[in-house]
Amino acid sequence: DIQMTQSPSSLSASVGDRVTITCRASQSISSYLNWYQQKPGKAPKLLIYAASSLQSGVPSRFSGSGSGTDFTLTISSLQPEDFATYYCQQSYSTVAFGQGTKLEIK
Amino acid sequence: QVQLQESGPGLVKPSETLSLTCTVSGGSISSYYWSWIRQPPGKGLEWIGYIYYSGSTNYNPSLKSRVTISVDTSKNQFSLKLSSVTAADTAVYYCARHMPTIVGATWLGRGPLDYWGQGTLVTVSS
Repeated sequence: DIQMTQSPSSLSASVGDRVTITCRASQSISSYLNWYQQKPGKAPKLLIYAASSLQSGVPSRFSGSGSGTDFTLTISSLQPEDFATYYCQQSYSTVAFGQGTKLEIK
Repeated sequence: QVQLQESGPGLVKPSETLSLTCTVSGGSISSYYWSWIRQPPGKGLEWIGYIYYSGSTNYNPSLKSRVTISVDTSKNQFSLKLSSVTAADTAVYYCARHMPTIVGATWLGRGPLDYWGQGTLVTVSS
């Protein structure tokens, strides 16, 4: 099974900051990597798919990069509505999620 | 606009079988992969398994012995059964659709999860 590891597990930042979250796969997954945002009490929302493709309707301050085993999600300028938990997910072999990164207000 | 809605009992007794149904509206269940995902209170997301509209399935190895996912295309529904439940199975259960995607030059039917249900909390308790 492919294991997904995110870092950090939690992160404090301020509005306007540039933030990067990292996701590492236990083996190469090419570009089969997706990112989701989840707010309390809500279902996850797809942000980025195929490592770097922005899902329709998602603000351009979100971007993704990487291939193989190492991937990043970057938020270029944090907005108040971006404080949430972020998950990576591989679709190379079945489905597996990272453990999540909670982004909190500093 | 595609919508998914989970339904089923919110309380299940230990050792019994958890049964949930996901009803898809605003689009056809045909030609897509569909997944069940769960999230224990305060914890992360765990994939349970997926089904193709044709009926082929794939399950999380950690749950495989207890999980059955089925599809009813005539009703635009797919269902989850999880047997021999314990308190550890208490979670919010989500159903979701896989978005077909092209990655590089490869078409992937089992792409990212683009539509999700709102989730339903299932508590395992006597």
